[in-house]
Amino acid sequence: GAVVSQHPSRVICKSGTSVKIECRSLDFQATTMFWYRQFPKQSLMLMATSNEGSKATYEQGVEKDKFLINHASLTLSTLTVTSAHPEDSSFYICSATTTGTRSKNEQFFGPGTRLTVL
Amino acid sequence: AQKITQTQPGMFVQEKEAVTLDCTYDTSDPSYGLFWYKQPSSGEMIFLIYQGSYDQQNATEGRYSLNFQKARKSANLVISASQLGDSAMYFCAMSRLNAGNMLTFGGGTRLMVKP
Repeated sequence: GAVVSQHPSRVICKSGTSVKIECRSLDFQATTMFWYRQFPKQSLMLMATSNEGSKATYEQGVEKDKFLINHASLTLSTLTVTSAHPEDSSFYICSATTTGTRSKNEQFFGPGTRLTVL
Repeated sequence: AQKITQTQPGMFVQEKEAVTLDCTYDTSDPSYGLFWYKQPSSGEMIFLIYQGSYDQQNATEGRYSLNFQKARKSANLVISASQLGDSAMYFCAMSRLNAGNMLTFGGGTRLMVKP
């Protein structure tokens, strides 16, 4: 149980285009979803926190207008990289958390999306 | 603000031996959680073990154990009987329990198991 999916797993796009990444909790309702970014050989950096039905909370230094996050339901959050540029190339990982004793306050991670902007 | 420090960027261990990965943390929150994740080359984050700040006993999960020393603010991961499949990046992370379980990650340790 507690499976989180991400789609697509890999995407290559041209500079200037927008890319949407979906994050779904398959067998539980996610009260909160998180979006992380990971550059090669580096750690995960939190980009934003989203709760269903409310605006995402972005970490300092993350451009809200460039990384649009929509959390339309308790099982789906989307990250749209607008007007992508080569420096946006990275590994994007989402995670979801839920309340309840099963969770142990755990975040369940998606498999990640590797974005390459040409 | 929370901070997680992993001082070992890379480590080697001989197959079948035990290895300890270091993690120290800093927080002003009275209640927090500590996690270890494994990230193989595929990129997926695999949950290994969890320790709550108020847990009296050290957490164990199979070959993984967490050496929690609250006064020293350390949460080292011990892997017993290393296997070749243990070669991966390992991340220590701390959650803010009063902030929707937001995670702060350490810089990671790359573990390489030698046959």
